[in-house]
Amino acid sequence: QKEVEQDPGPLSVPEGAIVSLNCTYSNSAFQYFMWYRQYSRKGPELLMYTYSSGNKEDGRFTAQVDKSSKYISLFIRDSQPSDSATYLCAMSESRAGKSTFGDGTTLTVKP
Amino acid sequence: SAVISQKPSRDICQRGTSLTIQCQVDSQVTMMFWYRQQPGQSLTLIATANQGSEATYESGFVIDKFPISRPNLTFSTLTVSNMSPEDSSIYLCSVDSGRGSYEQYFGPGTRLTVT
Repeated sequence: QKEVEQDPGPLSVPEGAIVSLNCTYSNSAFQYFMWYRQYSRKGPELLMYTYSSGNKEDGRFTAQVDKSSKYISLFIRDSQPSDSATYLCAMSESRAGKSTFGDGTTLTVKP
Repeated sequence: SAVISQKPSRDICQRGTSLTIQCQVDSQVTMMFWYRQQPGQSLTLIATANQGSEATYESGFVIDKFPISRPNLTFSTLTVSNMSPEDSSIYLCSVDSGRGSYEQYFGPGTRLTVT
């Protein structure tokens, strides 16, 4: 079983929809939880990170971490075609430690 | 943020040959990472390269196959040696900003095809 499992997708939504992307994990030592966005033929771009449990909001993006359930989510409000990309969750035990990535969810937002 | 460039951006190589991938960062960073992203799969860490010390390899990756150099705080190379078609993948360089908050940045990747 993988340490990090991500909803596989692909996901296709109309413009303006609310998108929910989710990951579960098994390693209770994970403390840092990250979301990356990867456009085709580009490297991953860090969107948000959260330390421990709780919510974090940045514009149209909200990251949630529930350590008791070992479950993290990324919500995208008012989705735009430019949000079409693969979204990767990643987790780390320490700030400078290695990250373990999910397999990614490919999102398409249709105009 | 850190700006990372990689060379080459892509290459097609023959089985049995070696390819060296370069990673250049626009600022000094302590920690650099090399990842592999195989088609349709997620990122797998190959090794961590800190300046002034030997690279630390993850399980399943060995120095003879993936030698790494880290001559200074802005540059690193990864060599893929004695290549086989199974090495066809995207190789990504990543750096940690080293500041208090979590900031990890990735290069654009090198797309390698081995025939």
